[in-house]
Amino acid sequence: GAVVSQHPSRVICKSGTSVKIECRSLDFQATTMFWYRQFPKQSLMLMATSNEGSKATYEQGVEKDKFLINHASLTLSTLTVTSAHPEDSSFYICSARGLAGLNTGELFFGEGSRLTVL
Amino acid sequence: AQSVTQLDSQVPVFEEAPVELRCNYSSSVSVYLFWYVQYPNQGLQLLLKYLSGSTLVESINGFEAEFNKSQTSFHLRKPSVHISDTAEYFCAVSESGGYNKLIFGAGTRLAVHP
Repeated sequence: GAVVSQHPSRVICKSGTSVKIECRSLDFQATTMFWYRQFPKQSLMLMATSNEGSKATYEQGVEKDKFLINHASLTLSTLTVTSAHPEDSSFYICSARGLAGLNTGELFFGEGSRLTVL
Repeated sequence: AQSVTQLDSQVPVFEEAPVELRCNYSSSVSVYLFWYVQYPNQGLQLLLKYLSGSTLVESINGFEAEFNKSQTSFHLRKPSVHISDTAEYFCAVSESGGYNKLIFGAGTRLAVHP
């Protein structure tokens, strides 16, 4: 199956700093990438949808100025958590969809990034 | 709007016993249905999916799920579980056609005991 790589897998930062998480599709072109957030023992909450070359579409309640998403190429999307605070600590998961999944909605997921803000 | 309900947050079961993880969805249009599995501190892996055709779909590791349109369900079953099946299982739905996002259920924690 298609491979999606996410980096870093773990990051610890101080409150007030910014953190960038990368999501790469390694063997296919991802026309659309999705960013999810997962709290402990809970489901995945969709944060935003990004299409290559256009602005991300954020879900209701997600601050677009706090969670900056860039999808500059067909293989790379980045999520930047700006001025991070302890409440931003979470498990962030990216997923990607290629042309084959355009109609089915099938996604391939990265390994996740655990962010801890001190 | 579409939604997914996983009725059981946790399912404890003994090794080699059968298991069923329940999933119901709501949508006003045709849907595609998925089951994903998540092991601790990892991303999600696709277990199986229903797109069209036969309503019974199977995975390579013995799981199966049946799409029941009248009951709007997509329950996941395995006749005999292993310790290694212990994980979080998520049911997900997307509306057919177009740039549609995947909506997840709350997840079911399957705990297989020896």
